[in-house]
Amino acid sequence: AQSVTQPDIHITVSEGASLELRCNYSYGATPYLFWYVQSPGQGLQLLLKYFSGDTLVQGIKGFEAEFKRSQSSFNLRKPSVHWSDAAEYFCAVGSNDYKLSFGAGTTVTVRA
Amino acid sequence: EPEVTQTPSHQVTQMGQEVILRCVPISNHLYFYWYRQILGQKVEFLVSFYNNEISEKSEIFDDQFSVERPDGSNFTLKIRSTKLEDSAMYFCASSAARQGGRYGYTFGSGTRLTVV
Repeated sequence: AQSVTQPDIHITVSEGASLELRCNYSYGATPYLFWYVQSPGQGLQLLLKYFSGDTLVQGIKGFEAEFKRSQSSFNLRKPSVHWSDAAEYFCAVGSNDYKLSFGAGTTVTVRA
Repeated sequence: EPEVTQTPSHQVTQMGQEVILRCVPISNHLYFYWYRQILGQKVEFLVSFYNNEISEKSEIFDDQFSVERPDGSNFTLKIRSTKLEDSAMYFCASSAARQGGRYGYTFGSGTRLTVV
């Protein structure tokens, strides 16, 4: 069965600093990997996804993620965070069926 | 950009009451899903629905739950007799392709259900 681990429950970062959120997955075949963001009171918005090709994936809002098969990781990065990036971030893994398996999420706080 | 719309955004109900959560998926999507997120926990898969029948359901989706597409636009989740532990954020999602697990879905903004 597929699963996702997000080791960091909460990260605080200064505005303008870089951000990296960790995600490790477990899946026997080629994984399909996603990052979603949930702003307070909002739904889940897709930031980016990977299922083949270039292992560095560009997403919306200036985010990128790198798939590293050898480390079973799909870490999310942003070079310079903005106060509006404060939110909860979820990594998810899918397969050739209907469902996604989500990690527990990482809450990002941005300080001025 | 097309959206998945969920109503209401917040519902409070008495334990033992029936609730219906409503969703309007993206119009040309054919696959529909419900997920839930208990406060502080992971987002969990509940059920997928295609061609007017359930494609897959999780162990959470017991006989208290049912889904329906009553017309060409709505997709509903019914909880027959709510329990305190049903309190959660419920997300509806839809996808154009069967392989939502491969291509991802579009999620709605969620309905926060509070059972008192």
